Amino acid sequence: DTAVSQTPKYLVTQMGNDKSIKCEQNLGHDTMYWYKQDSKKFLKIMFSYNNKELIINETVPNRFSPKSPDKAHLNLHINSLELGDSAVYFCASRGGATNEKLFFGSGTQLSVL
Amino acid sequence: TQLLEQSPQFLSIQEGENLTVYCNSSSVFSSLQWYRQEPGEGPVLLVTVVTGGEVKKLKRLTFQFGDARKDSSLHITAAQPGDTGLYLCAGADGNNRLAFGKGNQVVVIP
Repeated sequence: DTAVSQTPKYLVTQMGNDKSIKCEQNLGHDTMYWYKQDSKKFLKIMFSYNNKELIINETVPNRFSPKSPDKAHLNLHINSLELGDSAVYFCASRGGATNEKLFFGSGTQLSVL
Repeated sequence: TQLLEQSPQFLSIQEGENLTVYCNSSSVFSSLQWYRQEPGEGPVLLVTVVTGGEVKKLKRLTFQFGDARKDSSLHITAAQPGDTGLYLCAGADGNNRLAFGKGNQVVVIP
């Protein structure tokens, strides 16, 4: 069983479109994250939810809206996609304290044309 | 935002050689983690170091946390092609944030 699964794996779309990425974890973790990895491999935190509540919201454009229907799911909706949104988006989850390990999904490669 | 600088950015070595990569910051971290990421996959945790001066070994990989808890190193002995990957260090700042460095891309040539 995959611990953290995100879909789709690849997403190719036109500028201006709206798209969603879904993430689910079966580890029973309370905290979930969205990270963005740019072309230079820099992994930057976007959002964090703890038990369905938003606890970290970095300076991300409000075109990005996370939604957590329950603590096992954290989806990311992006409105009016721009070229600069092209990147790999990773979902992750963590069970306890900040120094416990993050479990990452295998990433969604978003290409905006 | 606490900045983690990793060096060298890219390292290519022959199988059997040793290598060391570094993760440095001006900030103190409560803990530091090392992850390895392979192409098309998410990062996978290798180790967490918590105590200043701590040394942890994972087979041929040796991780050291600086005495002041601001820096760390990863040493690989007798590198194998399977060690190829992007090595990411991440520091916990005590505010539920884990900040990542930009990674050390290691390529081991058979």
